[in-house]
Amino acid sequence: GENVEQHPSTLSVQEGDSAVIKCTYSDSASNYFPWYKQELGKGPQLIIDIRSNVGEKKDQRIAVTLNKTAKHFSLHITETQPEDSAVYFCAASKANDYKLSFGAGTTVTVRA
Amino acid sequence: GAVVSQHPSRVICKSGTSVKIECRSLDFQATTMFWYRQFPKQSLMLMATSNEGSKATYEQGVEKDKFLINHASLTLSTLTVTSAHPEDSSFYICSARAGQGQPQHFGDGTRLSIL
Repeated sequence: GENVEQHPSTLSVQEGDSAVIKCTYSDSASNYFPWYKQELGKGPQLIIDIRSNVGEKKDQRIAVTLNKTAKHFSLHITETQPEDSAVYFCAASKANDYKLSFGAGTTVTVRA
Repeated sequence: GAVVSQHPSRVICKSGTSVKIECRSLDFQATTMFWYRQFPKQSLMLMATSNEGSKATYEQGVEKDKFLINHASLTLSTLTVTSAHPEDSSFYICSARAGQGQPQHFGDGTRLSIL
């Protein structure tokens, strides 16, 4: 099955700096890669996703890049704010498979 | 849009009690709903997948008689933890998607504590 690895497990950044989280996947058939943000005591919230026919996608301060050849994708958060502090999960799935394979998560702390 | 509501948010009950958790898609019809379990500081573990009107598909190692799932309509799925014991204490989260190729949207989870 699909194996998704996520790094780093924790990330502390100064407010205003950028944060980058990286994930790798094992199954070359995976073609959908969402990112979720989970705040304490809440469910994951979809923040951005990318499909394999696109190399990069951006939504305001958040961007995701995908390298299909290397089988890795990354989340970039620019101009970080304290409210960006949360646990972030990457995931991967295939078009004909409903299951999401999640990374282990990254705890991001933005220092004011 | 794409709001998923989960109820209750927290349950504390005695060992041996059965607990029902509801998951509703509020502004879309969910052809498929998913149930996850999450342990502290860990990732989400898929327990089962349910499609409206059909039996749920359980992941390996998940007891179907222990975790009963019903998906009676396109907007509601329920998870019943039968005869719950302290080891069933966990954070249970549901998600729903409108169709194949659509993203999964998650509820806010249910914190289950069995005394």
